[in-house]
Amino acid sequence: KQEVTQIPAALSVPEGENLVLNCSFTDSAIYNLQWFRQDPGKGLTSLLLIQSSQREQTSGRLNASLDKSSGRSTLYIAASQPGDSATYLCAGGGSGGSNYKLTFGKGTLLTVNP
Amino acid sequence: GAGVSQSPSNKVTEKGKDVELRCDPISGHTALYWYRQSLGQGLEFLIYFQGNSAPDKSGLPSDRFSAERTGGSVSTLTIQRTQQEDSAVYLCASSLAGRTLYNEQFFGPGTRLTVL
Repeated sequence: KQEVTQIPAALSVPEGENLVLNCSFTDSAIYNLQWFRQDPGKGLTSLLLIQSSQREQTSGRLNASLDKSSGRSTLYIAASQPGDSATYLCAGGGSGGSNYKLTFGKGTLLTVNP
Repeated sequence: GAGVSQSPSNKVTEKGKDVELRCDPISGHTALYWYRQSLGQGLEFLIYFQGNSAPDKSGLPSDRFSAERTGGSVSTLTIQRTQQEDSAVYLCASSLAGRTLYNEQFFGPGTRLTVL
């Protein structure tokens, strides 16, 4: 059974800092990995999707990497802004026939201070 | 274009009542998912629909939970005889397809269910 862990649970940084959020998973046969952000009281916004054959994806100031052999993914945020404050969730698609079934970590609550 | 929509946004009900939650996926998306987000539990998978295939109901927590998807579009999640532990945010997502590379999931705003 896939388990996803995110460390740290909370992170506070000053505006402008570059930061890395970590995600680890137990099943290296992961199909894909998706990063989301969730604002308070809102649904999830998809940030990046990395397929199992890929090593990284980039969108603007965000870069996500996937290392299946070590069971790790990272989300790098460059030049952080107060608007980046949110909870960041990673989720892994299952292996085999259940690759559509996302297993979520519990998230990292990011606060970017002006 | 329009994203995934869910209704109602908030639902307060009394223990023992039945509730129906609705999800409208993104137009053209053949795959639809329901998840539940509980305090301290994180997000958990409930059910998956793909086209006309039999749904994957493996995440439904009890037989009080059921879901259907009519016409390959709108889905309804029904909870019968609600219990206080059913209180959570119910999130719906859709993707172009399920088991292929086109399975980036897009989520709706959720329905916050409170059972008194």
